[in-house]
Amino acid sequence: DVVLTQTPVSLLISLGGQASISCRSSQSLVHSNGNTYLHWYLQKPGQSPQLLIYQVSNRFSGIPDRFSGSGSGTDFTLKISRVEPEDLGVYYCLQRTHNPWTFGGGTKLELK
Amino acid sequence: QVQLKESGPGLVQPSQTLSLTCTVSGFSLSSYGVIWVRQPPGKGLEWMGVIWGNGNTNYNSALKSRLSISRDTSKSQVYLKMNSLQTEDTATYYCARNGYEAFAYWGQGTLVTVSS
Repeated sequence: DVVLTQTPVSLLISLGGQASISCRSSQSLVHSNGNTYLHWYLQKPGQSPQLLIYQVSNRFSGIPDRFSGSGSGTDFTLKISRVEPEDLGVYYCLQRTHNPWTFGGGTKLELK
Repeated sequence: QVQLKESGPGLVQPSQTLSLTCTVSGFSLSSYGVIWVRQPPGKGLEWMGVIWGNGNTNYNSALKSRLSISRDTSKSQVYLKMNSLQTEDTATYYCARNGYEAFAYWGQGTLVTVSS
């Protein structure tokens, strides 16, 4: 199975600051069709996960441009600029390139 | 608008079978897949399986021997059945729509506790 390793496990950020989360895969996430199915989610306390970024760098509808995704192959990054209180929670990466689909272990974003 | 809602028993006895229903609206099960994901208390997310728009299924290999996902398109419902439950299967179970934008729409989740 593909293992997604997220670092750091937790992140202390000041309001207005910038956060960067890494997601490294044990295998290349480039599908045979050329697409890369690496996505990012945020789970706020007591809520269902919400989609932020799909296929590496595409923001989902309604997601502010403070959120950006990048990367290729096995290394991917989610950046959050100008952190706001509603950005706090646990961030997960997900790969849908290889079966079984797998999530990263999560990165908890907290206020400093 | 797209909506999904999970339903089922909150408590299941060890060794018994879990049956959950995901009722969807705002889209057709013939056009989109539906996935199940679970989350033990205080832990991360685990993808369980998917039923595609054509009715085919794929399962997490770790659960494949115990898991079955099916659907009734006329009722807009997707079903999860998992047998031989143990305490480690205690989790919140989510269904979500699978599409081009990955799992863009999720249900609220339903907590299932396995206990005697």
